[in-house]
Amino acid sequence: GENVEQHPSTLSVQEGDSAVIKCTYSDSASNYFPWYKQELGKRPQLIIDIRSNVGEKKDQRIAVTLNKTAKHFSLHITETQPEDSAVYFCAASSPHKLIFGTGTRLQVFP
Amino acid sequence: DTAVSQTPKYLVTQMGNDKSIKCEQNLGHDTMYWYKQDSKKFLKIMFSYNNKELIINETVPNRFSPKSPDKAHLNLHINSLELGDSAVYFCASSPPGNTQYFGPGTRLTVL
Repeated sequence: GENVEQHPSTLSVQEGDSAVIKCTYSDSASNYFPWYKQELGKRPQLIIDIRSNVGEKKDQRIAVTLNKTAKHFSLHITETQPEDSAVYFCAASSPHKLIFGTGTRLQVFP
Repeated sequence: DTAVSQTPKYLVTQMGNDKSIKCEQNLGHDTMYWYKQDSKKFLKIMFSYNNKELIINETVPNRFSPKSPDKAHLNLHINSLELGDSAVYFCASSPPGNTQYFGPGTRLTVL
């Protein structure tokens, strides 16, 4: 069945450093790849997304890259801040649903 | 406020009871979902409805019965609650194009 693998499961960085989270998907028909941030006790919130006709998208300190051939996509956060600490989920579209990765707990230490 | 809302926020109940969680969205979306998030934070889709019609049932036990009275509402009824049902349940909605917007979640604790 469809599957999305996400790595690493935990990531600790110093404030100001960059963080990279990687995902791999299995369904070659997937064409939409959102990233969600979930703070403790809160709902997942969309932070950035990319469609298959684009290789890279940037929004201030966050960027997403997509390699459709390799079925890889990544989230890049630059100049990390303590408020970036959260669980991040990647997802890939499948008919009528999103398949979510297993999440990455990012901790940014001051 | 335009949003996806759920009630209740917390639900504590005994094993064997029946309970319901309600979800409403005023975003005008055609598609609504229920997700279960377990203690390891895995987000797993349970059901998807499009214009009140069930389109996905991800092998969820039939103790779980979703109901969509109209396209703005998707409620979840759970019969004979079990310990393993303890989790956070999220409702979500989306327009065509897959971006999903989540409700605040309902933390269900089965004792």
